[in-house]
Amino acid sequence: EAQVTQNPRYLITVTGKKLTVTCSQNMNHEYMSWYRQDPGLGLRQIYYSMNVEVTDKGDVPEGYKVSRKEKRNFPLILESPSPNQTSLYFCASSLLGLGNQPQHFGDGTRLSIL
Amino acid sequence: KNQVEQSPQSLIILEGKNCTLQCNYTVSPFSNLRWYKQDTGRGPVSLTIMTFSENTKSNGRYTATLDADTKQSSLHITASQLSDSASYICVVSAGNNNNDMRFGAGTRLTVKP
Repeated sequence: EAQVTQNPRYLITVTGKKLTVTCSQNMNHEYMSWYRQDPGLGLRQIYYSMNVEVTDKGDVPEGYKVSRKEKRNFPLILESPSPNQTSLYFCASSLLGLGNQPQHFGDGTRLSIL
Repeated sequence: KNQVEQSPQSLIILEGKNCTLQCNYTVSPFSNLRWYKQDTGRGPVSLTIMTFSENTKSNGRYTATLDADTKQSSLHITASQLSDSASYICVVSAGNNNNDMRFGAGTRLTVKP
């Protein structure tokens, strides 16, 4: 089954403790992206990747890092999490050439930073 | 200022009724417009994608319209079902960049029996 898998689905942690949210897709998509979703603000892009070893900042990259060493994986790293990073995070992927290609989203990771 | 505005923010309707959700945008140059459905606790799922030359597209009971002149889109849901309860997100892509997508904040639809 074609899917985007995120782990963990839920995480409660404390300020300053490094964490990684993994994202994996099995559709051989070139494009992958991370978003955060906050009430009333809609989805905001954190980072995206056009292909292996090619990553770039989205609208809200501060406090986050990503890597794309393999085509299928695109982990999101919070080196020193802070409470304002408490949010619902989504990973998405699509074929390159977003023109008419839908993005496939994971089911989200709810992070709470205390 | 968000370049994609959706209305209403929330809507409650009775099962079996029709409803229409609105999306106005200022994104330019325009490439395409998508509607996604997001069930509670799940990621968004694509419903329709429309390019500049398309003014209507259907997916089952969902029909999206696009007026590129007025920069407006609507999503019409016919004969609503309880499973239609979800958030509906409008996403507009700019034509100058493979990554330039602007997301609306969504409309929260509740269908009651």
